[in-house]
Amino acid sequence: AQSVTQLGSHVSVSEGALVLLRCNYSSSVPPYLFWYVQYPNQGLQLLLKYTTGATLVKGINGFEAEFKKSETSFHLTKPSAHMSDAAEYFCAVSARNQAGTALIFGKGTTLSVSS
Amino acid sequence: NAGVTQTPKFRVLKTGQSMTLLCAQDMNHEYMYWYRQDPGMGLRLIHYSVGEGTTAKGEVPDGYNVSRLKKQNFLLGLESAAPSQTSVYFCASSYRPGSYEQYFGPGTRLTVT
Repeated sequence: AQSVTQLGSHVSVSEGALVLLRCNYSSSVPPYLFWYVQYPNQGLQLLLKYTTGATLVKGINGFEAEFKKSETSFHLTKPSAHMSDAAEYFCAVSARNQAGTALIFGKGTTLSVSS
Repeated sequence: NAGVTQTPKFRVLKTGQSMTLLCAQDMNHEYMYWYRQDPGMGLRLIHYSVGEGTTAKGEVPDGYNVSRLKKQNFLLGLESAAPSQTSVYFCASSYRPGSYEQYFGPGTRLTVT
């Protein structure tokens, strides 16, 4: 069984500050890990994903995440927040080699950016 | 390409009424999914399909039915709506499961009074 825990339902930062959104996962098999972003009244859009290989993954809009197997974490970071980053962010996990499985989502973290 | 589209965008139902939500994708994806999103709950899988003519239950299937008669369409039905089904419904599709990206539609906001 798989699960995802996002620490902090709401994170507030100032424009230009570091963004850190935390995600821990549980999986009995090697996972695929994703971060999605949802802007108000829109669907979800993929930010980045980890499948295999390099554990530091770069995504769109300057975001990156690092897969740490020993910590079962996949935290999302951005060095300098922009007002346009205000949105809800979802971490998700998927299993390898399981036909028909869908993504398991965390409960989401709302990012607020103040000027 | 339109990607994933959903019809309708908004709907208000009375308890006991029925309705069908339509999802269409033009990416020739095999896999399609229906999720519901509730505040503080993230997205939860209702039903999914691994190909035309197939459907399977997800995490929260009760009160919903689905059909995949054509590869590009995935329908979600509510036979007798209940207030607990007030939610935002998202359809998604992917080429394969696992490492492949899921593409999401814009959502349908459903209110059951």
